[in-house]
Amino acid sequence: NAGVTQTPKFQVLKTGQSMTLQCAQDMNHEYMSWYRQDPGMGLRLIHYSVGAGITDQGEVPNGYNVSRSTTEDFPLRLLSAAPSQTSVYFCASSYSAQGGSPLHFGNGTRLTVT
Amino acid sequence: AQSVTQLGSHVSVSEGALVLLRCNYSSSVPPYLFWYVQYPNQGLQLLLKYTSAATLVKGINGFEAEFKKSETSFHLTKPSAHMSDAAEYFCAVSDQSGGYNKLIFGAGTRLAVHP
Repeated sequence: NAGVTQTPKFQVLKTGQSMTLQCAQDMNHEYMSWYRQDPGMGLRLIHYSVGAGITDQGEVPNGYNVSRSTTEDFPLRLLSAAPSQTSVYFCASSYSAQGGSPLHFGNGTRLTVT
Repeated sequence: AQSVTQLGSHVSVSEGALVLLRCNYSSSVPPYLFWYVQYPNQGLQLLLKYTSAATLVKGINGFEAEFKKSETSFHLTKPSAHMSDAAEYFCAVSDQSGGYNKLIFGAGTRLAVHP
């Protein structure tokens, strides 16, 4: 059972480039989300999805785009990378979109934008 | 809106000493509360969760946390620290506005354990 799988593990981009961070889960979880982790700021929610075809914005959505065409996959797209998007990105899922359901995290993607 | 405050960005204890990591939350509704641990270069792992069944919650690796509504606190404790407990710990509250499970995290506390 792989859980939540994120690729790539590391990425370096130049300002203005675009890329997609991949996230896949094999637990048939309803809810998926993307967080970014920055020193001293904990994790901040970027976007989330409560099921295939349904997405919504979190706390820091600007500069990012998501879609959810299947239950398993929830890619995060950076439209035009900026140095402020240098961060560690985590994908997380839970079996239910209702409160109280714990999140299962991937191992993260470390992104550097120069 | 819900929020979480973790007091102390760094905590250092001796091996065998009590571990106390502090978390205070703000919530307009009865909260769901979580503690997660993050080891270097890894994702977050669930330590324990509070979902109103009992105020004292036991988790993995000997950790436990007590929900105190009057103090709006959910502090994490472990009676005796091990070297392997060195990690970063995050407290989180479930923001149920809109009915969905959006976790709001504190800034984290890095625990160092020295011999």
